[in-house]
Amino acid sequence: SQKIEQNSEALNIQEGKTATLTCNYTNYSPAYLQWYRQDPGRGPVFLLLIRENEKEKRKERLKVTFDTTLKQSLFHITASQPADSATYLCALNKGKLIFGQGTTLQVKP
Amino acid sequence: DTEVTQTPKHLVMGMTNKKSLKCEQHMGHRAMYWYKQKAKKPPELMFVYSYEKLSINESVPSRFSPECPNSSLLNLHLHALQPEDSALYLCASSHRDNLRNTGELFFGEGSRLTVL
Repeated sequence: SQKIEQNSEALNIQEGKTATLTCNYTNYSPAYLQWYRQDPGRGPVFLLLIRENEKEKRKERLKVTFDTTLKQSLFHITASQPADSATYLCALNKGKLIFGQGTTLQVKP
Repeated sequence: DTEVTQTPKHLVMGMTNKKSLKCEQHMGHRAMYWYKQKAKKPPELMFVYSYEKLSINESVPSRFSPECPNSSLLNLHLHALQPEDSALYLCASSHRDNLRNTGELFFGEGSRLTVL
C-alpha cells in the first residue's frame, strides 16, 4: 500500500541551528512534493513545491531536496528561530494531495 | 491572513441537528476541497470540486453532503452526525485540479466542529 512517513517524534533544536525534517514515501511515483506549515488550531500554509525533475529548491531560509531514487524529501530550516516552531507536513500528489502525519518542530531560545 | 474564509469558526451541534459549514474564496481558483483533521493527525481529503463539479468523493458517509453553488463558494451540509465526526474541517482551493497537478493548496483557518 502507499505510505508517507515523517519523523514521528517531535524535533527539538536550539535557536540558530539547522532543522532537518524527513519525508519518506513508498509505492508512489509523485509528480511533485509539497511542504506545509501548520500552527495549532489553524489551517496549513503552503511553503514549497518541488517537482520530480528538480533536486533542490530554496526559499529564504528554507531548502527542500527531492530524491526520487531514495523516495525521500528533506526539508531544512537554516538559522532556526523560535517562531519556526510548528508542525510541518509533507504532501504528495497522486491525483489528489495526500499528507504525511507531520513533524512537530520546537525551536528553543 | 488566509484568502480562504470559513464560517463558522466553531460549531457545536447535537446528533439530530442539521447545520452547514461555508467556505469562500475570491482568488479565481477553480478547484475547491474539503479536508477533515482530527487532533495530531494529518488532514484527510473528503471531497474535491473541479469547475463546480464534484470530482472526488473519498467514500465519505452520506451524513456529509457537499455543495458548490458557484466557483467561489463551497458548502458542507451536516446531518445526523456522530460524536466521532468532531474534528477541524478545512476548506482549501487551488488553481487547477487534474490527475497530475493539483498545485499548491490555499487553506482556510478551519471550522472546529463538536458533535454532542
